[in-house]
Formats: sequence, C-alpha cells, structure tokens
Amino acid sequence: KAGVTQTPRYLIKTRGQQVTLSCSPISGHRSVSWYQQTPGQGLQFLFEYFSETQRNKGNFPGRFSGRQFSNSRSEMNVSTLELGDSALYLCASSPQTGAVPGANVLTFGAGSRLTVL
Amino acid sequence: DQQVKQNSPSLSVQEGRISILNCDYTNSMFDYFLWYKKYPAEGPTFLISISSIKDKNEDGRFTVFLNKSAKHLSLHIVPSQPGDSAVYFCAASAWDGDKVIFGPGTSLSVIP
Repeated sequence: KAGVTQTPRYLIKTRGQQVTLSCSPISGHRSVSWYQQTPGQGLQFLFEYFSETQRNKGNFPGRFSGRQFSNSRSEMNVSTLELGDSALYLCASSPQTGAVPGANVLTFGAGSRLTVL
Repeated sequence: DQQVKQNSPSLSVQEGRISILNCDYTNSMFDYFLWYKKYPAEGPTFLISISSIKDKNEDGRFTVFLNKSAKHLSLHIVPSQPGDSAVYFCAASAWDGDKVIFGPGTSLSVIP
C-alpha cells in the first residue's frame, strides 16, 4: 500500500513569489490535513479537507490556501511568500470521517521543505 | 495560544532506563490524545493513543498515562533504546477528530 506522497520534496523561492505543494493521500483516505513545521513551534495546523470541502482551518493568514480534488489529492498554495514562510510543510491523510468518534490516526508524508530567500 | 504544550524541548536518557515525556493541554474539549515520533527527513509516525475515558494505555515498551483533572499526559518508554532517539510530539483532538493539534515536540536522545 503506497504511503502519502508529497511533491516537491525541496524547493527554493524568493520573497513575493508564490508556491504550490501537492499531496497524494493513501488510497481510500478521504481526509487530508496540512501542517507547517518550524523549529520551536512544532506542527502548526493549517487546514483539513474532506470530500473536497475544507472542514477546519488554523490561524494562518489568507495567503495560505488549499484545495482537495475529487480523487482526494490535495494542494496547498502560499502567495506573496515571506522569509518566515520557510518551513517543512507536512501533509497527512486519514480514513477519519468524523461520523464515528475515535482517535484520528494521521499518516504523514515526508514533507516539502520550502526555503524562501 | 498553544493548546498542547510540551515544556521540555529535549531529554537525555541512558539506554535501558525509563524515558518519561510530558504533555499538558488547556482545552477541556479534547477527547483523544496521541503520540507521534519523528526522525529527521521523515514525516511523523503514530505511536500510541488514549481516549479521555481511560487513564492508561500500553503497547509493548510504550505506555501513555492520562490525568484528565490535571490536563496532563505522559509517555513512558521502558526500556529505552538508542533507536528511540527522535522528536516526540504530543497531539490532541476533540471527539470528531477532524482537527488534530500538536505540541512543539520533545527531542529524546538515548545514550548507549
């Protein structure tokens, strides 16, 4: 069973540019979550999608956006990049639907390392 | 406002001894708590979870304890092995589990 695939793994951008990151979840998983990891801040929740709908959103500015496609693949976009956006962006998928309560075990990809110069 | 806190950024333990990683939370709506382990250049991987109706859950060398009244949980690793050296994240979610909130992590070093 293939894991969560994130592309690209590494990328370098300059301030003011925009970037799009892609995530392919585990087959059959319909929930996709995105996190930003920076030193000392841990994993900051960006957003969560289920069946092409954003169900939850973290406390990030509107420059951060995302979407999910009908095949559950997801993309996130960051516009007008700032130096502080340099981070590891992690995508995670799960079979969680929310209809049945339970611990939501996320399976993470290896991440996309973004460097903003 | 950090809802999940891990106040120890790092911890060093001798091989064979017990490792205790602590986590505190502020949101009383959390119903599920999870621990993840992360090696460099890899995504976090799930270790163990516990629901708020329990106070202990055990899986091999890993045991998680929950003190709901104190809003505190801990992960015990016994015995600690060098391969356990990683960053450990505590995480929590409400009953529907859609939004999982992570703490800042604790870097564990197990010294041979």
